Amino acid sequence: NAGVTQTPKFQVLKTGQSMTLQCAQDMNHNSMYWYRQDPGMGLRLIYYSASEGTTDKGEVPNGYNVSRLNKREFSLRLESAAPSQTSVYFCASSTGGRTEAFFGQGTRLTVV
Amino acid sequence: KQEVTQIPAALSVPEGENLVLNCSFTDSAIYNLQWFRQDPGKGLTSLLLIQSSQREQTSGRLNASLDKSSGRSTLYIAASQPGDSATYLCAVRGYRGSTLGRLYFGRGTQLTVWP
Repeated sequence: NAGVTQTPKFQVLKTGQSMTLQCAQDMNHNSMYWYRQDPGMGLRLIYYSASEGTTDKGEVPNGYNVSRLNKREFSLRLESAAPSQTSVYFCASSTGGRTEAFFGQGTRLTVV
Repeated sequence: KQEVTQIPAALSVPEGENLVLNCSFTDSAIYNLQWFRQDPGKGLTSLLLIQSSQREQTSGRLNASLDKSSGRSTLYIAASQPGDSATYLCAVRGYRGSTLGRLYFGRGTQLTVWP
């Protein structure tokens, strides 16, 4: 079972470049999440989608945009990358409030 | 705003010890609490999910308890092994208002079990 799949796994960007991180889940989950993980900071929510067609800002949304393309896919876009966006990005999904969340393997992004 | 704290930040124990990891949260309006394990350079693996109405959950050598009213959870690991070495994260899912449906994480406890 694939679960939550993120692409790419690694990426190096130059300051000012743009890119889209892709996330897809095959568990028919309604809710999807994007987090970033930085040393000493834990996981912080960037954006959250409770269902297809809805998105909400999390703790650290500045510099990011998201698209909930359909029920399976939730993408995260960096329009103009900055060194402060160097991080590990995780996508997650769950059915709803009472069920467990599943995470992808992460995308390690470096902005130089 | 929901705040999740994990104590200790790091723990180093010899193999075979029983140990307890602590998690506390400030807003008791939660759907559930989930414990995860994260190995270096890897994603998060779910260990246990406790619903807000439950007091504890068990899986093998792991036992997690929840006291929602006091905002506390503990993860008990019995007879620890070197393979248990990892970072353990707890997360709570909000139940109301601006926290609804969102997962809030602690910063984790980094566990090292030495032979």
